[in-house]
Amino acid sequence: DAGVIQSPRHEVTEMGQEVTLRCKPISGHNSLFWYRQTMMRGLELLIYFNNNVPIDDSGMPEDRFSAKMPNASFSTLKIQPSEPRDSAVYFCASSETSGVLDEQFFGPGTRLTVL
Amino acid sequence: QKEVEQDPGPLSVPEGAIVSLNCTYSNSAFQYFMWYRQYSRKGPELLMYTYSSGNKEDGRFTAQVDKSSKYISLFIRDSQPSDSATYLCACNTGGFKTIFGAGTRLFVKA
Repeated sequence: DAGVIQSPRHEVTEMGQEVTLRCKPISGHNSLFWYRQTMMRGLELLIYFNNNVPIDDSGMPEDRFSAKMPNASFSTLKIQPSEPRDSAVYFCASSETSGVLDEQFFGPGTRLTVL
Repeated sequence: QKEVEQDPGPLSVPEGAIVSLNCTYSNSAFQYFMWYRQYSRKGPELLMYTYSSGNKEDGRFTAQVDKSSKYISLFIRDSQPSDSATYLCACNTGGFKTIFGAGTRLFVKA
């Protein structure tokens, strides 16, 4: 398996534009996580899906952020409109189940810069 | 106050040194403790995890948890330049949500 795949790897956009980040989890994994990593706040969980259903989105910072998982092999994180403070590295991770002992496998991340 | 506190470093050591990385946490409900390694421009990868208090050894790496003082440590013996990375501690109560420290940047000089 190729591991968790994220696209794009880098995104530079201007304030106010819509940004869509994409993730393909590892085949057979039924849990998917979106994280945001910044120097100031570290790695923060944004939203967690189990069997394609959003279970916890309490980490989503504002209504400008939305996430979907239309099927087991694809998820998107959308920011609309984007702001400079959204600049960060966004990671998608997947695990076999939701159990704490199931290792989360992280993708390479999308480095977002909002000018 | 963050639930998991970690000194961001950077920590610079010579090759072969013993490295000690540490975190403190505030939530006494945490039962699972993990260490992730993150190379530059990559996603974190799980190094090892520990349940409750005690030690766990894996090769050159030893994880230690002291729940009485809410203190977790990772020791790296005979450090190598390839160990240069950011190390994130992480804690979990037993559910899906893992709380990460900010990460400590480690440089091992050849």
